[in-house]
Amino acid sequence: GAGVSQTPSNKVTEKGKYVELRCDPISGHTALYWYRQSLGQGPEFLIYFQGTGAADDSGLPNDRFFAVRPEGSVSTLKIQRTERGDSAVYLCASSRRQGSYEQYFGPGTRLTVT
Amino acid sequence: RKEVEQDPGPFNVPEGATVAFNCTYSNSASQSFFWYRQDCRKEPKLLMSVYSSGNEDGRFTAQLNRASQYISLLIRDSKLSDSATYLCVVAGNTGKLIFGQGTTLQVKP
Repeated sequence: GAGVSQTPSNKVTEKGKYVELRCDPISGHTALYWYRQSLGQGPEFLIYFQGTGAADDSGLPNDRFFAVRPEGSVSTLKIQRTERGDSAVYLCASSRRQGSYEQYFGPGTRLTVT
Repeated sequence: RKEVEQDPGPFNVPEGATVAFNCTYSNSASQSFFWYRQDCRKEPKLLMSVYSSGNEDGRFTAQLNRASQYISLLIRDSKLSDSATYLCVVAGNTGKLIFGQGTTLQVKP
């Protein structure tokens, strides 16, 4: 079956611009996670959704970052006033249910802020 | 101090060698433990879960020591295809995963 998909695969934007990154989880997975991975580091947790609600957004670095999941399936990560330090691979993962730790990752969106 | 610490390596070993990776974690309330594998420019994939009793999957053995807050992964009879970054991961009760920096393994012919 289809895995987690993310679009775009690559995004280059100028400092100060707004970007949206999309994640399509595996069908039927109720939990959705966003992580960010910088070069040479492990993924870093950003936010977690159970259904439509953000159950834990403690990893969002500041208020320029926001994520939504309005219908409990597709999620969008939104970054306002991008900075060069936001450059990273943004990974989305989904799992069958809350607390189920087998998370399936998408291929990521590589964001470059120039 | 990072919540999950790993030696980044790289570990360069010949085919057929046995190699061991270690990891320590700081949060004693952590409930679940995993090793993920990540190939270059690819997403992480679950390699195996780690239990206090230890668990084995073919050439791979994982061990957890809760008292020392220490996790290990042993790879026997290394193959060229084992070359990758191995990520040590801990989780609390929400499903949020905390990753280590990763340890890079390069298996040489």
